[in-house]
Amino acid sequence: DVKVTQSSRYLVKRTGEKVFLECVQDMDHENMFWYRQDPGLGLRLIYFSYDVKMKEKGDIPEGYSVSREKKERFSLILESASTNQTSMYLCASSLATGHPVYEQYFGPGTRLTVT
Amino acid sequence: AQKVTQAQTEISVVEKEDVTLDCVYETRDTTYYLFWYKQPPSGELVFLIRRNSFDEQNEISGRYSWNFQKSTSSFNFTITASQVVDSAVYFCALSEARGAGGTSYGKLTFGQGTILTVHP
Repeated sequence: DVKVTQSSRYLVKRTGEKVFLECVQDMDHENMFWYRQDPGLGLRLIYFSYDVKMKEKGDIPEGYSVSREKKERFSLILESASTNQTSMYLCASSLATGHPVYEQYFGPGTRLTVT
Repeated sequence: AQKVTQAQTEISVVEKEDVTLDCVYETRDTTYYLFWYKQPPSGELVFLIRRNSFDEQNEISGRYSWNFQKSTSSFNFTITASQVVDSAVYFCALSEARGAGGTSYGKLTFGQGTILTVHP
């Protein structure tokens, strides 16, 4: 069965802390994505990776960085957490694409609160 | 730039009613894919359907059906005889097959989501 796991369901951090969110997939997917979900805004893409050590900015990369050292693992890093980064963070993975585009499989999400 | 609009923020129905969730999209690409996802209270998005821009056939899967109309740039989702378990947030999403760099890598642009509540 397809599986994407995220390291924490709930996380509370203080302003200025460095925060790591981990995502692991067991489907041997090439593509991995990080989104944040906020009420009324849907999901917005932060960063994605199409191969090990390869990454590209999404729509809202400011304040975030990512790391992909192994195919199955994709980490989102908040270098210095701020209160406006309080949100639900969702990780997803999919097969390599161009055409056709395959569906993404999502993890359960991490609800991050920055105080 | 691509855009997805789900104008219905919240819908409330009584069990066994039919309900349609609207989705309107914008894209300049001639080859694109449309998706619907369900997010139950547990939080994990569940994939429901994928449609490519060349296939305008409507699709039915049990109580779920989808109506894709390129002429109006819409990809609407209907639940027939709704049930309490259908209560969730539903997202429509779009992916262009080719982005600015030659491939989109399957990046999704999501609509704002529609909160569906089905009352017993």
